[in-house]
Amino acid sequence: AQSVTQPDIHITVSEGASLELRCNYSYGATPYLFWYVQSPGQGLQLLLKYFSGDTLVQGIKGFEAEFKRSQSSFNLRKPSVHWSDAAEYFCAVGTGGFKTIFGAGTRLFVKA
Amino acid sequence: NAGVTQTPKFQVLKTGQSMTLQCAQDMNHNSMYWYRQDPGMGLRLIYYSASEGTTDKGEVPNGYNVSRLNKREFSLRLESAAPSQTSVYFCASSEGDLSSSGYTFGSGTRLTVV
Repeated sequence: AQSVTQPDIHITVSEGASLELRCNYSYGATPYLFWYVQSPGQGLQLLLKYFSGDTLVQGIKGFEAEFKRSQSSFNLRKPSVHWSDAAEYFCAVGTGGFKTIFGAGTRLFVKA
Repeated sequence: NAGVTQTPKFQVLKTGQSMTLQCAQDMNHNSMYWYRQDPGMGLRLIYYSASEGTTDKGEVPNGYNVSRLNKREFSLRLESAAPSQTSVYFCASSEGDLSSSGYTFGSGTRLTVV
């Protein structure tokens, strides 16, 4: 069955430190991959997406993600976290058609 | 600002009451979606509309109905609300007709059924 796993329910990093949020997926073909961010009380905002080609994709707000086919992973990274990055992050897999599978989310806390 | 607008933002219903959640987008997107978000479960698709005039069931359609009123508007109706429908509901739209294009989300409706 198709699935998306975000192993970390929450992560705490210090402001200025680097960040990596993990995402693993289960899907038979190369999927469409997304990362979304949700600030409290808001809807989800698309950070970046991967369809094909270069496996390292750049997104908004200084985020990037790397697709690793051999590991079925699509981890999100940021070199230096800002306090405003505190939010919940969702990895998602588009399987074609109109269905997208979302992970359960990772909540990021940033400490001063 | 262009985007997806949902109304209302908050609603409390008694068990058995009905209500309609409204959604409108002004980006000329073809496809629209309704998701529910529950703690620890990510987002689950309730219904979607690939294009004006069509609607299809998603992962959790029971207890809901939808109407694609025109290209801009896509409403979600709860005919007889149940406590299990307490959730945050998000409307979304996409430019493309595949899940490859990514979504634009509204800010959500927080619904409590007592």
